[in-house]
Amino acid sequence: SAVISQKPSRDICQRGTSLTIQCQVDSQVTMMFWYRQQPGQSLTLIATANQGSEATYESGFVIDKFPISRPNLTFSTLTVSNMSPEDSSIYLCSVAGTEFYNEQFFGPGTRLTVL
Amino acid sequence: AQSVTQLDSQVPVFEEAPVELRCNYSSSVSVYLFWYVQYPNQGLQLLLKYLSGSTLVKGINGFEAEFNKSQTSFHLRKPSVHISDTAEYFCAFNTGGFKTIFGAGTRLFVKA
Repeated sequence: SAVISQKPSRDICQRGTSLTIQCQVDSQVTMMFWYRQQPGQSLTLIATANQGSEATYESGFVIDKFPISRPNLTFSTLTVSNMSPEDSSIYLCSVAGTEFYNEQFFGPGTRLTVL
Repeated sequence: AQSVTQLDSQVPVFEEAPVELRCNYSSSVSVYLFWYVQYPNQGLQLLLKYLSGSTLVKGINGFEAEFNKSQTSFHLRKPSVHISDTAEYFCAFNTGGFKTIFGAGTRLFVKA
């Protein structure tokens, strides 16, 4: 299984600012995923990030609000732009398993509070 | 539409008692099924998975789940819970691609 780290683990931000979340994996992976978990709710997929190509966004999420970078096979960033209190959530990155790509391994998450 | 329904949002149970967390899914094609656990202030950890074969699947920490195709269910069970099992449990599936559908979660609260 992959070991995934995220930075920062938590942050408190002001409305209108942006925050970039980093996700580092200890092995090379093809696909990385970014999820949002709003308070008391389940996970919602924001986008899928492949190295060397544009991220694929799910319905309701747009690149201007959530730009994603994937510069290599072990790293990705998600930026939450022009934040509002509604963006207060846990943001999780994950990777597909190498033996069974249907399963996913998750990072510890970034807990974001927007004031 | 594809969906996962976790029938209980919260399940309180006393320590050493058995527990069942219920999960039903809706899909027109074959699915791979998963249970993930999220401990407080942590990310999700895979508890167990059903890909094929035996319908009774054993996972970590003494949990098991049974796939019932006719009832489209994948209930999670543990014969005797511990305080440390207190967490959020998510049922999920995918149909062979990379996109995974998650349920709303069940909060298991184990009381002493």
